Amino acid sequence: KAGVTQTPRYLIKTRGQQVTLSCSPISGHRSVSWYQQTPGQGLQFLFEYFSETQRNKGNFPGRFSGRQFSNSRSEMNVSTLELGDSALYLCASSFVGLRQETQYFGPGTRLLVL
Amino acid sequence: KQEVTQIPAALSVPEGENLVLNCSFTDSAIYNLQWFRQDPGKGLTSLLLIQSSQREQTSGRLNASLDKSSGRSTLYIAASQPGDSATYLCAVDQTGANNLFFGTGTRLTIIP
Repeated sequence: KAGVTQTPRYLIKTRGQQVTLSCSPISGHRSVSWYQQTPGQGLQFLFEYFSETQRNKGNFPGRFSGRQFSNSRSEMNVSTLELGDSALYLCASSFVGLRQETQYFGPGTRLLVL
Repeated sequence: KQEVTQIPAALSVPEGENLVLNCSFTDSAIYNLQWFRQDPGKGLTSLLLIQSSQREQTSGRLNASLDKSSGRSTLYIAASQPGDSATYLCAVDQTGANNLFFGTGTRLTIIP
């Protein structure tokens, strides 16, 4: 069974631009979560989607948004990029997102904002 | 707000030694605690998940314990190997809906 895939793996953008990252969960998984990892703040939860609905949201500004499609694939969008948005963005999937489930992480998308 | 701390931030031990990594959290109202490893430039690999009602979980050379009342968890690695070199992260789930609070990690180096 294929793991969680994320595209693109690397991305370079300039301040003010917007970016869209994609995540394909493991087949059969319907819950997708997104995390941001930076050297200063560590890993922080962005949001979680289940059945095309956002169920949970972390403490990030509205410039960060996401969506989930009927096939459970998810995208996250960051508008008006800032230098501080440079990070590794990780997505994770699980069957239904219940507490006894393990989350499976993708390799991440490394975003550099210049 | 939940805060998760991991000490030490970095650890180097000779191959073959047993070692313990520590994780502490400030709010004991958690659903579960997970240990992950992260290799450089890679995503996270789940190692062990302990439900709030459990005291420990074991997988091969790894054993994780949870003391919810004191807000502590340990990851014990037996007979360490160079392949164990990675950053180890603990994370707590407070909502039961995959909203994980991560620790800052312990960078482990096993010296051959």
